[in-house]
Amino acid sequence: KNEVEQSPQNLTAQEGEFITINCSYSVGISALHWLQQHPGGGIVSLFMLSSGKKKHGRLIATINIQEKHSSLHITASHPRDSAVYICAVTGRYIIQGAQKLVFGQGTRLTINP
Amino acid sequence: DGGITQSPKYLFRKEGQNVTLSCEQNLNHDAMYWYRQDPGQGLRLIYYSQIVNDFQKGDIAEGYSVSREKKESFPLTVTSAQKNPTAFYLCASSIDQSSNQPQHFGDGTRLSIL
Repeated sequence: KNEVEQSPQNLTAQEGEFITINCSYSVGISALHWLQQHPGGGIVSLFMLSSGKKKHGRLIATINIQEKHSSLHITASHPRDSAVYICAVTGRYIIQGAQKLVFGQGTRLTINP
Repeated sequence: DGGITQSPKYLFRKEGQNVTLSCEQNLNHDAMYWYRQDPGQGLRLIYYSQIVNDFQKGDIAEGYSVSREKKESFPLTVTSAQKNPTAFYLCASSIDQSSNQPQHFGDGTRLSIL
């Protein structure tokens, strides 16, 4: 079993729909990251959170430390939101003093006009 | 604007050849990382460097080598010992090695075997 599991693996929706992508992890963490990978391959960091909730524009990320679960929500989705969304965690115990990210396999989101 | 530059974007290699992927950052970050991405899998760490002239193996270092002679540069060599080199390679950096700093990523290099 992977340490970080995302669901769904693929998601197709119509423009305007409310989107939820889920991430569950099995290790103790110090931070959880949500990343967006564009069709060309480049990756952008969307959120880094260790508790509660963060909001940026139409994107909302929440985390429940007790349940080891995080969600990424997109409100009023738009075709330009189409991308792969990746969840990653940083372990509570840092390996040899360096930050080490453990990644989920990603969720491919397609928003149709 | 500061960022990470990876080159080339696409790279083709003949079997038995070594190839070097470039990664340059002008963010003044101490820590740099190389990841490999395969279809349907999460990114996996190849090598990382916390400071100039120092680097450590990640989870899948076999068949790869790196150097960190300058703070700005962290090139990755895919050697002929890497039996399945076809993948998408991403370079990243962070201010330091602590866990509360986000990583910044380049646009990646797609390596294919001819």
